[in-house]
Amino acid sequence: DIVMTQSPATLSVSPGERATLSCRASQTVSSNLAWYQQKPGQAPRLLIFGASTRATGIPARFSGSGSETEFTLTISSLQSEDFAVYYCQQYNNWPPDTFGQGTKLEI
Amino acid sequence: QLQLQESGPGLVKPSETLSLTCTVSGGSISSSRYYWGWIRQPPGKGLRWIGSIYYSGSTYYNPSLKSRVTISVDTSKNQFSLKLSSVTAADTAVYYCVRSTVVNWFFDLWGRGTLVTVSS
Repeated sequence: DIVMTQSPATLSVSPGERATLSCRASQTVSSNLAWYQQKPGQAPRLLIFGASTRATGIPARFSGSGSETEFTLTISSLQSEDFAVYYCQQYNNWPPDTFGQGTKLEI
Repeated sequence: QLQLQESGPGLVKPSETLSLTCTVSGGSISSSRYYWGWIRQPPGKGLRWIGSIYYSGSTYYNPSLKSRVTISVDTSKNQFSLKLSSVTAADTAVYYCVRSTVVNWFFDLWGRGTLVTVSS
């Protein structure tokens, strides 16, 4: 089974700064990688699919990159509402159950 | 705007069957473009896909839960449902209903989630 490993587990960043979150797959997932944002008490929200395509309504400060086994989510100029937990998910291989363990982005 | 809303008991006894329903509003469940599914998240933990269904009734289950899961659809009510049998405390989680496309298995729409606790 594919294992998705996110790093770091916790990232402390100041508002206005850039945040870089990493996701590594144990085997290639091509570009079939999604990123989600989850705020406390809320459902996850799709941010990025296809490794780099922003979902509808997602601000341009969120960008995704990478392919095969190495992926990055970059949030430029952090806003207060961006502090949350971020998950990556591979959907290249069946079952589409492979989520990373999450990165908590904190102030 | 299409929305998903989970409903069902918040407390289930061990060994019994967990039953949840997701109501789709603002659009039709009978779209050829989407699967409708369930994901759960134990308190303080990560996400796990349980399974999905197409409006025609075709189902796809996580192999790790397949023996205990049944997902069904009622297009007349614009609803789909989850049944998880023989529950234990390990099944305590927030259960989300979700939508994915038939082309790619990422989840672009989520319900707000409902906490189900397994306890006697």
